Amino acid sequence: DAGVTQSPTHLIKTRGQQVTLRCSPKSGHDTVSWYQQALGQGPQFIFQYYEEEERQRGNFPDRFSGHQFPNYSSELNVNALLLGDSALYLCASSPLRAEFYTGVGSADTGELFFGEGSRLTVL
Amino acid sequence: AQSVTQLGSHVSVSEGALVLLRCNYSSSVPPYLFWYVQYPNQGLQLLLKYTSAATLVEGISGFEAEFKKSETSFHLTKPSAHMSDAAEYFCAVSDSRGSGTYKYIFGTGTRLKVLA
Repeated sequence: DAGVTQSPTHLIKTRGQQVTLRCSPKSGHDTVSWYQQALGQGPQFIFQYYEEEERQRGNFPDRFSGHQFPNYSSELNVNALLLGDSALYLCASSPLRAEFYTGVGSADTGELFFGEGSRLTVL
Repeated sequence: AQSVTQLGSHVSVSEGALVLLRCNYSSSVPPYLFWYVQYPNQGLQLLLKYTSAATLVEGISGFEAEFKKSETSFHLTKPSAHMSDAAEYFCAVSDSRGSGTYKYIFGTGTRLKVLA
């Protein structure tokens, strides 16, 4: 059973460029969340996607946008990159739908499953 | 608003000694609480979780944590540290109960160093 996979693992961009990061959720999961982890900090919530719509958003500017596809995979896009965007970007998946509608079983734990992350360096 | 405070950004223990990593939370509703471990250049791995069942939660690799509502704490312990426990540890709180949104608030992390 494949876990959460992210690509690319590392990338380098320059200020002002745009970047797209990709995530495939764990099998059976339909909700994807993105987190930004700056060096020496805890992960910060960017946004969450379910049924191809953004459901929640953290305190991030509109330069950060995303998308979820019918197969539940997701992309994170960042425009007009700044030096401060350098960070590890983590994707996490969870089985929202099962928990929301049934409230029973192992899905009802609030547990997120994280990928290895994409490390973005902005020069 | 929910928040998590991890006391001590760096903790050093000798191999075989007790590990204690502190986490205090703030939440207006009964929370879900988690401890994650992060090894260098890797993602987050779940150690254990509290979801309102037993207040003493056992996790992987010999770790456990106790939920104390009166102290709003969820400290992580391990009786005997191993060199392989050296990593960054994050406490997180979620108010996903009933909402199903699984938004986590993370602490700033505690880097555990194990001395030979």
